[in-house]
Amino acid sequence: SSELTQDSAVSVALGQTVRITCQGDSLKTYYASWYQQKPGQAPVLVIYGKNNRPSGIPDRFSGSTSGDTASLTITGAQAEDEADYYCNSRDSSGALYVFGTGTKVTVL
Amino acid sequence: QVQLVESGGGVVQPGRSLRLSCAASGFTFSSYVMHWVRQAPGKGLEWVALISYDGGNKSYADSVKGRFTISRDNSKNTLFLQMNSLRVEDTSVYYCVRARAGFDIWGRGALVTVSS
Repeated sequence: SSELTQDSAVSVALGQTVRITCQGDSLKTYYASWYQQKPGQAPVLVIYGKNNRPSGIPDRFSGSTSGDTASLTITGAQAEDEADYYCNSRDSSGALYVFGTGTKVTVL
Repeated sequence: QVQLVESGGGVVQPGRSLRLSCAASGFTFSSYVMHWVRQAPGKGLEWVALISYDGGNKSYADSVKGRFTISRDNSKNTLFLQMNSLRVEDTSVYYCVRARAGFDIWGRGALVTVSS
């Protein structure tokens, strides 16, 4: 199965913008979805498809894809956005799924 | 409300078996593909397996293929994961997950510890 690679950690000043990337061959074919996970909690879906937010997810979260790289952007980061973020997609065969390595976002 | 509740976790010796269950409520269970995802302590998320609406199609991660079996009982709104030949490296929180566009509903997880 293919891999999805993310930066291990990024930091952002309160109110500023941060972009988290996810790179993998399968992203040339399949969209990524993005998940936020806070300590001791189950993950929460924040972006799916081309750039869709589930009900209840703030519009400061957005997604995009270019080539083999998917991105999650938080515009105007808030303290409550501090969490681990994971991308997810199908693998290159389309039959299996794979998660990214995860990015820890710190809001300063 | 829409809810997934896992059960069946615990401590088990290497080589033994365990079966996880996931009770679904608040939605039409038989209309959704379901997945299991796990997370080892302090580690990232790992996709484990999926099952189609009617149970006719199943897929597994290479790390569990041949040892784990996913199944469902749509009459009881329940998802299962039969785990055989357990290894120390299978120690994780196991999440039951509903999928539509993205993995949109997650259970709280069940901890499985494989240790002698």
